[in-house]
Amino acid sequence: AQSVTQLGSHVSVSEGALVLLRCNYSSSVPPYLFWYVQYPNQGLQLLLKYTSAATLVKGINGFEAEFKKSETSFHLTKPSAHMSDAAEYFCAVSEGTGRRALTFGSGTRLQVQP
Amino acid sequence: EAGVTQFPSHSVIEKGQTVTLRCDPISGHDNLYWYRRVMGKEIKFLLHFVKESKQDESGMPNNRFLAERTGGTYSTLKVQPAELEDSGVYFCASSISGSGNTIYFGEGSWLTVV
Repeated sequence: AQSVTQLGSHVSVSEGALVLLRCNYSSSVPPYLFWYVQYPNQGLQLLLKYTSAATLVKGINGFEAEFKKSETSFHLTKPSAHMSDAAEYFCAVSEGTGRRALTFGSGTRLQVQP
Repeated sequence: EAGVTQFPSHSVIEKGQTVTLRCDPISGHDNLYWYRRVMGKEIKFLLHFVKESKQDESGMPNNRFLAERTGGTYSTLKVQPAELEDSGVYFCASSISGSGNTIYFGEGSWLTVV
């Protein structure tokens, strides 16, 4: 069985500040990990994914995430927040082979203050 | 290249009525998924098609929900009869088979049952 926990349903940062969104996972097999973003009134867009290659993954819009097996974490970071980053962010895990469906976390809504 | 398209984008129906949601996956994608998010909770997996076959339907909530994928192309999700708790966003997604391949999401069909 697999699960995802996102700490903090709401995160607020100032424009230009560091963004850190936390994600911890549980999986019985080596996981594939994903971060998706949902902007207001839009669908889910893939930010980045980890598929057992490099542990530091770079995504779109300046976001990156680091896979840490010992901590079962896949936290999302961005050095400097922009107003346009305001959205809801979802961490997800899949088992890759076998059941490929994603299991999502509950989401973190990011607010960026001017 | 067209993305995953869903129809209708919004639907308001009365309790007891029937609604059919349609999803057109990205051309050539053999995997098609349905997910839903109700009342701001987690995005939950409903089912997974590989071509026209149901690979995994463990997330379907009850027998009021019926999904089909005619000829392995587009898919429909019928809710009959609809209940108030069915309100939410229904996401369709598709991917090409292969480990770690990205799952692409549509913009969702927003269903309100009154």
